[in-house]
Amino acid sequence: DAKTTQPPSMDCAEGRAANLPCNHSTISGNEYVYWYRQIHSQGPQYIIHGLKNNETNEMASLIITEDRKSSTLILPHATLRDTAVYYCIVGGNAGGTSYGKLTFGQGTILTVHP
Amino acid sequence: EAQVTQNPRYLITVTGKKLTVTCSQNMNHEYMSWYRQDPGLGLRQIYYSMNVEVTDKGDVPEGYKVSRKEKRNFPLILESPSPNQTSLYFCASSLTPGGAGQPQHFGDGTRLSIL
Repeated sequence: DAKTTQPPSMDCAEGRAANLPCNHSTISGNEYVYWYRQIHSQGPQYIIHGLKNNETNEMASLIITEDRKSSTLILPHATLRDTAVYYCIVGGNAGGTSYGKLTFGQGTILTVHP
Repeated sequence: EAQVTQNPRYLITVTGKKLTVTCSQNMNHEYMSWYRQDPGLGLRQIYYSMNVEVTDKGDVPEGYKVSRKEKRNFPLILESPSPNQTSLYFCASSLTPGGAGQPQHFGDGTRLSIL
């Protein structure tokens, strides 16, 4: 699985958009980009994933660059409850038989302040 | 409600006393996995299962056993626990063994302390 690089911490004002970057320059052509978050010591929570196209769901948007070497998770209107560690993970194998292992890095600690 | 349930949530025990952490999912998922989380080391996979009676080692399997006799259950067994197994443990599941493009659902965690 490709490795990812994320800033260790970021701050965001409540109500503003939070943009969390992730570099994955060694991603292979069929690997997905996943985002999870972990609030305190709770179980990681799935947010969104994508392969090549930008994706949006009720929680967030995922912007993947055309060369797929980096991506940005966007929380459009951050709230205090979005304070968490955010993990960017690449893996899986579209059309293949990857067994779904997630390799977690250190993630980005996002602090949303009033 | 779709969920992954782990029990117990907290356990303090002593070295060498066998223990089992249960994991159950109600989503008919084929793939299940165990992770441990330690400060500075992130989440690391212990074992995974692609379906009933199919299990394999992850990155840190030493000192652990698992079984998958039923689709919904994937217990983690510590036959002779040691202090270095003190950690926060998570069970996860996803719909297909392939996993690609499938979100994984995590339980709320089990905090084990081995004295």
